[in-house]
Amino acid sequence: EPEVTQTPSHQVTQMGQEVILRCVPISNHLYFYWYRQILGQKVEFLVSFYNNEISEKSEIFDDQFSVERPDGSNFTLKIRSTKLEDSAMYFCASIGTGANYGYTFGSGTRLTVV
Amino acid sequence: QKEVEQDPGPLSVPEGAIVSLNCTYSNSAFQYFMWYRQYSRKGPELLMYTYSSGNKEDGRFTAQVDKSSKYISLFIRDSQPSDSATYLCAMSKPGANSKLTFGKGITLSVRP
Repeated sequence: EPEVTQTPSHQVTQMGQEVILRCVPISNHLYFYWYRQILGQKVEFLVSFYNNEISEKSEIFDDQFSVERPDGSNFTLKIRSTKLEDSAMYFCASIGTGANYGYTFGSGTRLTVV
Repeated sequence: QKEVEQDPGPLSVPEGAIVSLNCTYSNSAFQYFMWYRQYSRKGPELLMYTYSSGNKEDGRFTAQVDKSSKYISLFIRDSQPSDSATYLCAMSKPGANSKLTFGKGITLSVRP
């Protein structure tokens, strides 16, 4: 079964450093998302991406965050200057057309900011 | 009022029990209702989805949506230890690109 692949599985970074979280969505999917889950909290929407541009972003997704699909297969989330409160699981997800319930999530990247 | 509220847990049941998991929501624009299962340190995995009101059954799982009450449920019959996981309700508005809004999740433990 096709899957969404995320790397790395765990990233530890120092506060103020830049991190890039990587995702390979399912190949024929067109809509891409990043969600995050702070330990013990809800899964929260960060950003959606379609046709090489952001379709929607949440209040969390401020100027420190950016997304990119650099080469037609990878989908990245960059955090420019990490803060302690950015520590969370970050999930990439994708869906095909005509199925806005059928998200496939990756296994996540656990980001720890120290 | 939070957009999506889910019964707090954790929940522990004996093997074979019927489990009922519930969520309420406040946004009447939600049309798609989903249940995800999440194992520790893994991504959510789609278990069931329902469009608008009604019931949907898949094996031991039944999803119910009551839009008039803004209430959704997931029933698990003959629960198994392998059902032990965190269950998340999620919902979205119509539209191909609609984001999911999740409940907080409830951790279920099925005791052998």
